[in-house]
Amino acid sequence: GAVVSQHPSRVICKSGTSVKIECRSLDFQATTMFWYRQFPKQSLMLMATSNEGSKATYEQGVEKDKFLINHASLTLSTLTVTSAHPEDSSFYICSARVGGGGYNEQFFGPGTRLTVL
Amino acid sequence: AQKVTQAQTEISVVEKEDVTLDCVYETRDTTYYLFWYKQPPSGELVFLIRRNSFDEQNEISGRYSWNFQKSTSSFNFTITASQVVDSAVYFCALSEANFGNEKLTFGTGTRLTIIP
Repeated sequence: GAVVSQHPSRVICKSGTSVKIECRSLDFQATTMFWYRQFPKQSLMLMATSNEGSKATYEQGVEKDKFLINHASLTLSTLTVTSAHPEDSSFYICSARVGGGGYNEQFFGPGTRLTVL
Repeated sequence: AQKVTQAQTEISVVEKEDVTLDCVYETRDTTYYLFWYKQPPSGELVFLIRRNSFDEQNEISGRYSWNFQKSTSSFNFTITASQVVDSAVYFCALSEANFGNEKLTFGTGTRLTIIP
């Protein structure tokens, strides 16, 4: 099956620093990648949809200047949390889409747990 | 707007019992996909099933079975003869089938605990 990796798996940083999270599709090309955020004991909330070579589409309420998304290639998307604060501490999960037409097959990465001190 | 409701926040059953996780959805689309995912303590989402809105046949996969009832907008998930390894959070999700707009809407999840 299709494999999606995320790096790092866990990161702890000081308040005010920026953190970059990578999402890679290892054995397929992903024209679309999605970024989700999951707070403890809560559901996954879509943050943005990232299409290769174009600007990401952010969901309502998600600050695009706070969460910078770059999808520079068909196998890599990055999420940068700029000037992170404790309230940004969360589990960030990416997914990569396979398939065309109306067929929606998303493969999820293992997630990145961000803790901001 | 799409919405997925998992009314059961937490369920605990004794090992070997059967358990059903409920999922009710709302959508204006005539074509859509429904999913179930398992999230063990490690956090990684495990895909369990995808169902097209036109396919109302129930499905069985080992100890897992799914009951899709379009008339009641429900897509329930049953685990028979539960095992401790089934302990996890289970998410039901909904997606439109339109190319380019296939974002997943997740329910709030049901935390299932299997008691040995």
